Amino acid sequence: SQELEQSPQSLIVQEGKNLTINCTSSKTLYGLYWYKQKYGEGLIFLMMLQKGGEEKSHEKITAKLDEKKQQSSLHITASQPSHAGIYLCGARTGANNLFFGTGTRLTVIP
Amino acid sequence: DAGVIQSPRHEVTEMGQEVTLRCKPISGHNSLFWYRQTMMRGLELLIYFNNNVPIDDSGMPEDRFSAKMPNASFSTLKIQPSEPRDSAVYFCASSGRVGNSPLHFGNGTRLTVT
Repeated sequence: SQELEQSPQSLIVQEGKNLTINCTSSKTLYGLYWYKQKYGEGLIFLMMLQKGGEEKSHEKITAKLDEKKQQSSLHITASQPSHAGIYLCGARTGANNLFFGTGTRLTVIP
Repeated sequence: DAGVIQSPRHEVTEMGQEVTLRCKPISGHNSLFWYRQTMMRGLELLIYFNNNVPIDDSGMPEDRFSAKMPNASFSTLKIQPSEPRDSAVYFCASSGRVGNSPLHFGNGTRLTVT
């Protein structure tokens, strides 16, 4: 079965610093999704990537899907306390359901 | 758009009791998903429906769990009888008709079984 591994598992950064979270798949990705979750709340959709080499940005968050479509990275520029939370990558299977990676817990220190 | 609505937000029950979790998907969405989140296992897909029909229930842990979707605007996840190891946050999500549409999640139901 396909698995998604995220790294690092947790990250603590000073406000204003840049950071990168990685998501690696054991198989080719057909649609890669990034979500953010705050404690006690549901997952908020951030971005979806489908094509190899694709890159999308929203405010200070940029996500990329590598050419081979087996790895994605999420980059935050000039982090703020509002960026704190758990970031999860998700991928579709051939059966059209969506499964998730292990998550990365981000803490931003003011 | 009200988003995906789940109820209750919190449920505390004793072992052996029946628990019913409810979900109202976003209007017009034709796929509905139930997930369970725990610290140990992360976010696990339990079951998903397409056009009210269960497509994949391989993630349902055992026969104590059952899910229904009687119409396009309502779904339930039932646990009978409940056990302490069922304690988790249960999420419902829905997605639109276009292939690869993102899932939209509710705020979850935090279940505690004592």
